[in-house]
Amino acid sequence: ETGVTQSPTHLIKTRGQQVTLRCSSQSGHNTVSWYQQALGQGPQFIFQYYREEENGRGNFPPRFSGLQFPNYSSELNVNALELDDSALYLCASSPTPLTALEEKLFFGSGTQLSVL
Amino acid sequence: KQEVTQIPAALSVPEGENLVLNCSFTDSAIYNLQWFRQDPGKGLTSLLLIQSSQREQTSGRLNASLDKSSGRSTLYIAASQPGDSATYLCAVYSNYQLIWGAGTKLIIKP
Repeated sequence: ETGVTQSPTHLIKTRGQQVTLRCSSQSGHNTVSWYQQALGQGPQFIFQYYREEENGRGNFPPRFSGLQFPNYSSELNVNALELDDSALYLCASSPTPLTALEEKLFFGSGTQLSVL
Repeated sequence: KQEVTQIPAALSVPEGENLVLNCSFTDSAIYNLQWFRQDPGKGLTSLLLIQSSQREQTSGRLNASLDKSSGRSTLYIAASQPGDSATYLCAVYSNYQLIWGAGTKLIIKP
């Protein structure tokens, strides 16, 4: 049990739609990062939020956006869904960005998104 | 650009064997290297974290080594058990993000 929860566990959407995925971090963890994992591949870093501000981003287009709230919850929003967005989306939390360098990350179980 | 490669992609061994999983990376400028386990339908569990200044870490039957100069890490699993069956991924922390390999799918046969 990592203390990081994600919802929903599974989601089916149609191409062109918008989706919001949610993550609840451990209490006291001010840093959350999001990853996309396509089938058979390793996760790809989407972005990281620290104290409600984005402070790092991977190679993903602007239609991938996020929010982080003071209550240690966060959202990943994807607009104009494409078929290639079908993947497992994972969030991870840590107390600070620097802590992430020194300590293990705690991951949620992920949201499996299917775009038809 | 940092790239992480894991070989083999899949491995099947009888229960009780010792085994080694390999991970290589192209840029030695890393903060740390982590080994994760992923079970079907579940998230990622961090097994071992090796800081860039360290050469190995041990946890129970698991031992991970790091050779930054050659861009390699190995995960050694002793006395394998069916419960060890999972996908094992390595990731390096580089440029403030984790960069991952594609993983090795491990099957331990009873």
